[in-house]
This record gives sequence, C-alpha cells and structure tokens, in this order.
Amino acid sequence: KAGVTQTPRYLIKTRGQQVTLSCSPISGHRSVSWYQQTPGQGLQFLFEYFSETQRNKGNFPGRFSGRQFSNSRSEMNVSTLELGDSALYLCASSLAVIASTDTQYFGPGTRLTVL
Amino acid sequence: KQEVTQIPAALSVPEGENLVLNCSFTDSAIYNLQWFRQDPGKGLTSLLLIQSSQREQTSGRLNASLDKSSGRSTLYIAASQPGDSATYLCALPLNQAGTALIFGKGTTLSVSS
Repeated sequence: KAGVTQTPRYLIKTRGQQVTLSCSPISGHRSVSWYQQTPGQGLQFLFEYFSETQRNKGNFPGRFSGRQFSNSRSEMNVSTLELGDSALYLCASSLAVIASTDTQYFGPGTRLTVL
Repeated sequence: KQEVTQIPAALSVPEGENLVLNCSFTDSAIYNLQWFRQDPGKGLTSLLLIQSSQREQTSGRLNASLDKSSGRSTLYIAASQPGDSATYLCALPLNQAGTALIFGKGTTLSVSS
C-alpha cells in the first residue's frame, strides 16, 4: 500500500508570492491534517479535513488556507509569503474518524524556503 | 489549552545504554498519547499509541507508559543502538472531534558506537 505522498518535495519562493502544496493520503483514509515544522516552534497544527470539511483549525493567519477534494486529496495554500513561512510542511492521513482510535501516517514533507 | 513538554531537549548516550525520554502534559483529560520518531528532514513514523485506558504499550525494545493523573508519559528504549539516533516526539489529540495532534518539541537522541 502506498504511503502518504506530498508534492513538491522542495520549493523556493520569494516574499509576496503564493504557494500551493499537495497531499495524497493513503488509500481509504478520509482524514487529512497539515502541520508546519520550524526549528523554533516545532510542529504546529495548521488544519484538518475530513470528507471535504474542515474540522479543526490551528492558530495561523488567514494567509494559510486549505481544502480537500472528493478523492480525499488535499491542498494547502499560503498567500503573500513571508520569510517566517520557511518551514517543513507535513501532511498526515488517518483511517480514524475521531481521536481515540488509529494513528496518523505522515508524508515526507515539503520543504518551503522563502527568500 | 493542552501544552506538551519534553525533557531533555537533547540526549547523547553510548551504544547499549538503556534510556528514558519524558513527556508531560497539562490537561489529563486525554484520549490517547502517541510517540513518534523523526529522522532528519523526514516525516514522522508512529512508534507507539497508548489509549487513555492503558498504562503502557510495548514494541520490541520500546516501552511507553502513561500516567494520566500526573500528566506524564515515558518512552523507555532498551539496549540503545546507533540506528535509534533520531528525534522522538510525543503527541496528544487536539480534541476528540478529529484526529489533529498537539506535539511536544521533541528529544533529539544521539547514540554513539
């Protein structure tokens, strides 16, 4: 069974641009979450989708948005990029519907560098 | 608001040593607790998931314990090997409504041969 895939793996953008990252979950998983990882803040939750609906949202500005498609694939978008958006963006999928059951499976991440 | 703390931030041990990594959390009303491993620049791999009704879980040389009343979990690694070198993160559910997680900042383990 294929794991979680994320594209692209690496991105270099300049301040003010926008970027779209893609995540394909494990087949059959309908829950997809996104996280931002930086050396200073560690892993921070961005948002979570289940069956095309956003269920939870982390404490990030409105420049960060996401969506999920009917095939469970998800995208996140960051508009008006800032230097501080440089990070590893991780996507995770789960077979679980709620917190108390299955674990989450993480993709390899997209490394975004903002110049 | 749930907060997760991991101590120490970094740990260096010689091969063969047994070691304990610590995780503490502020809200004891948790549904489960997970331990993950992350290799440099890579995604996370789930090691152990402990349900709130369990006290511990074991997988090979790894043993994780959970004490909800004291807000603590430990990850015990027996007979450490250089291949165990990685960052270890503990995580708790944000809420029961979904599968989103709150993470500690991790403990970076280095095992020397």
